[in-house]
Amino acid sequence: GAVVSQHPSRVICKSGTSVKIECRSLDFQATTMFWYRQFPKQSLMLMATSNEGSKATYEQGVEKDKFLINHASLTLSTLTVTSAHPEDSSFYICSARIQTGGPQHFGDGTRLSIL
Amino acid sequence: GESVGLHLPTLSVQEGDNSIINCAYSNSASDYFIWYKQESGKGPQFIIDIRSNMDKRQGQRVTVLLNKTVKHLSLQIAATQPGDSAVYFCAEGMDSSYKLIFGSGTRLLVRP
Repeated sequence: GAVVSQHPSRVICKSGTSVKIECRSLDFQATTMFWYRQFPKQSLMLMATSNEGSKATYEQGVEKDKFLINHASLTLSTLTVTSAHPEDSSFYICSARIQTGGPQHFGDGTRLSIL
Repeated sequence: GESVGLHLPTLSVQEGDNSIINCAYSNSASDYFIWYKQESGKGPQFIIDIRSNMDKRQGQRVTVLLNKTVKHLSLQIAATQPGDSAVYFCAEGMDSSYKLIFGSGTRLLVRP
């Protein structure tokens, strides 16, 4: 069964809206979670590493003020796309490791469409 | 920078045949490799992984082979089924970092 839950699965909203995406670890604690972005027919690109109780680590080229990450508990990380525009439309996916050294397990993604 | 890549973007196989999906990597310092399966509209699903000190690992109907000499990784799927149709990604990682680097993906199409 799923070990990482992501919500919502799909969002359609107007340009300028801020959108929050939740990522939850199910039945395990995740001090670290990861946020990826995936364009159609392309691979996953890591956006940032979410760290419980501290600031997220962003990859080069990812605007931290645009993509706000909060990891306030051991089972929840949120990604907020602020003032979203059509170019932010994409598939956003989170992941977490069940155990140190184990593989990352992914949520089912959030399809974000900005009109 | 170093990256993980795939030779074939699309692979079409007959149901019941074996499938082989290939991946080339360039970071000789990677400690482990993972194969993921991604169905349309879903997140990647873990299939199998292998450490760099191994050259073969088997799972249920799947086998991963690692050739460090030529920096090549492959995923073999036995008796391919329609449910195996998806995009397959290889990914590499290092123990010193949480990060995974994903390859470009191969679409597997299973013909009935």
